[in-house]
Amino acid sequence: NAGVTQTPKFQVLKTGQSMTLQCAQDMNHEYMSWYRQDPGMGLRLIHYSVGAGITDQGEVPNGYNVSRSTTEDFPLRLLSAAPSQTSVYFCASSYSPVYTDTQYFGPGTRLTVL
Amino acid sequence: TQLLEQSPQFLSIQEGENLTVYCNSSSVFSSLQWYRQEPGEGPVLLVTVVTGGEVKKLKRLTFQFGDARKDSSLHITAAQPGDTGLYLCAGRDAGGTSYGKLTFGQGTILTVHP
Repeated sequence: NAGVTQTPKFQVLKTGQSMTLQCAQDMNHEYMSWYRQDPGMGLRLIHYSVGAGITDQGEVPNGYNVSRSTTEDFPLRLLSAAPSQTSVYFCASSYSPVYTDTQYFGPGTRLTVL
Repeated sequence: TQLLEQSPQFLSIQEGENLTVYCNSSSVFSSLQWYRQEPGEGPVLLVTVVTGGEVKKLKRLTFQFGDARKDSSLHITAAQPGDTGLYLCAGRDAGGTSYGKLTFGQGTILTVHP
C-alpha cells in the first residue's frame, strides 16, 4: 500500500491564481481530512469528509473548497490564492472517525503564495 | 472551539537528560493522541490514550492522560538524538456531531544534542 499520497510536494502561486492540491489513499478509509500547518500553531482542520459525497467544514475553511466523489480521492481547491494561504498542507485519512482510530498523514504540500 | 495548550514550545537538552511535555485544555476530550513529526514529513501517531488516568509506555516514552481527560503529558527518559523532532498532542471531541475531529496543540520542538 502507498498509504496517503499528496501532490505536488511544492508549489508557488501568485496572488489570485487557483490550484488544486491532490490527495489519495489506497487503504479504503472512509474518513479523510485536510489540515494546514503554520509555525507555532500546530495543525488546523480545513475540511473533512466522512465518506464519498459527504464533506463538512473544519476550523479554517474560508478560501478552500473540497469534494469527495470517490472513497480514494479528496482534492483541496484554492479558488483565488492569497498570501495568508502560504502554509504546509497535510491530508489525512482513517478507517473511521471513531475516537480511537489512527489517522494516517500524507507527506504534505508546501505552498507559497506571492 | 476546543483549545489545547502545549508547553514548552521549544526544548533543547543534552543526550541522557529527562524531559516532560505538557498538553492542557479546559475541555474534555474523548481521547488524546500524541504524534511525532520529522522535517518534511507528516505526523506519525505514537499513542492514543482513552481512559482518565491512563498511563502508556512506549520504550523510553511514558504518556499519561489526566483523570478528568482534560490534559496529558509525555515524559521521555534518557533522551537520545534520535528523539529530536516535533511532538504534537491532539484531542478528539467528546461528543455531539463533531465526528471525532482532532484539535491539535501548537507542538513542541525537541532538540537532543549528542
